[in-house]
Amino acid sequence: GENVEQHPSTLSVQEGDSAVIKCTYSDSASNYFPWYKQELGKGPQLIIDIRSNVGEKKDQRIAVTLNKTAKHFSLHITETQPEDSAVYFCAAMVQAGTALIFGKGTTLSVSS
Amino acid sequence: DGGITQSPKYLFRKEGQNVTLSCEQNLNHDAMYWYRQDPGQGLRLIYYSQIVNDFQKGDIAEGYSVSREKKESFPLTVTSAQKNPTAFYLCASSFSGDEQYFGPGTRLTVT
Repeated sequence: GENVEQHPSTLSVQEGDSAVIKCTYSDSASNYFPWYKQELGKGPQLIIDIRSNVGEKKDQRIAVTLNKTAKHFSLHITETQPEDSAVYFCAAMVQAGTALIFGKGTTLSVSS
Repeated sequence: DGGITQSPKYLFRKEGQNVTLSCEQNLNHDAMYWYRQDPGQGLRLIYYSQIVNDFQKGDIAEGYSVSREKKESFPLTVTSAQKNPTAFYLCASSFSGDEQYFGPGTRLTVT
């Protein structure tokens, strides 16, 4: 089955710096790759996603890139702010309507 | 307001008791999911349902049961057969089959 690896597990940056989180997946049939932000004690919030027919997608300060050949995708956050501090999860899906397979998460800390 | 509600937020039970977690959505989504989250771990799928009266096991279904009698509701029962039930339980729903939106979660503690 699908397996998703996420790195790093923790990331500390200064306010205004960029942050990059990387994920690799194992099943080449995976075609949907969302990113979630989870604040302490809350449910994950979908922040951006990308499908396998697209190489890059941006939404204001966040962007996601996908390399299907290498089977990896990355989240880029620019001009980080303290409110970006949270746990970020990547995920992959092989077939619509079935399970998302999650990475183990990255704890991002942005210090001012 | 549209959204996914889970109740209660915190739940405490004694070992050996069954407990049912509630999940309701008013988003008119067809698919609903239950995930379990343990500290420092990603989310793992317990059960999912694509339509009313039908559901499928996920990777860690042992010790859990679900029902889907209404489109809006997908309750999860944690039975006494679940060896390590203490966890954060998250319900999600999806209209398109890929974008999944999560509820606020229920933290279950079994002692």
